[in-house]
Amino acid sequence: EAGVTQFPSHSVIEKGQTVTLRCDPISGHDNLYWYRRVMGKEIKFLLHFVKESKQDESGMPNNRFLAERTGGTYSTLKVQPAELEDSGVYFCARDRGRGTKNIQYFGAGTRLSVL
Amino acid sequence: KQEVTQIPAALSVPEGENLVLNCSFTDSAIYNLQWFRQDPGKGLTSLLLIQSSQREQTSGRLNASLDKSSGRSTLYIAASQPGDSATYLCAVRKTGANNLFFGTGTRLTVIP
Repeated sequence: EAGVTQFPSHSVIEKGQTVTLRCDPISGHDNLYWYRRVMGKEIKFLLHFVKESKQDESGMPNNRFLAERTGGTYSTLKVQPAELEDSGVYFCARDRGRGTKNIQYFGAGTRLSVL
Repeated sequence: KQEVTQIPAALSVPEGENLVLNCSFTDSAIYNLQWFRQDPGKGLTSLLLIQSSQREQTSGRLNASLDKSSGRSTLYIAASQPGDSATYLCAVRKTGANNLFFGTGTRLTVIP
């Protein structure tokens, strides 16, 4: 059991529209990560939250992407406006952080198709 | 910059065969390495995690080894079964960082 719920599972939007992806990790996990896999490429890191704070957002592609984590619980990733190259699968992951083996547990992902 | 490579990209084997999947990484300053499997339309399932101080980890029919100095890890699957068919991903966590660097995966098909 990954303990990470993502929705929607699939989103189809037109170029220029806005989309918001959501990630709900089980409670008690300070670390939350967003990753993305575009077609034919490896999964790449986007950003990392520790509780509600952005610890590392070095992987965010550009300022069309905005991530938030309200109260250190669920997280959203908004793309505005969406471009064709944003299509891919967006994964969210959690781990407990310090003092653990730091196994990262992944959600099923949201497949974003920008037409 | 950490680059992770997995060879082969795809592999087909008959049921019952033992097999090895390979993963290599360019920067040996790693904290740990994780092997995942991904089934179509599903998320990533963590299989094994090896800390940088370890040489191998075992779970059931799976054995993962790590040679940090040469930048290599292998995932050995014994007595393969059709249910093992999936994409296997290797990911490394660099020392001092939290995020993972992934390879592109090996798609395994076990033929009954």
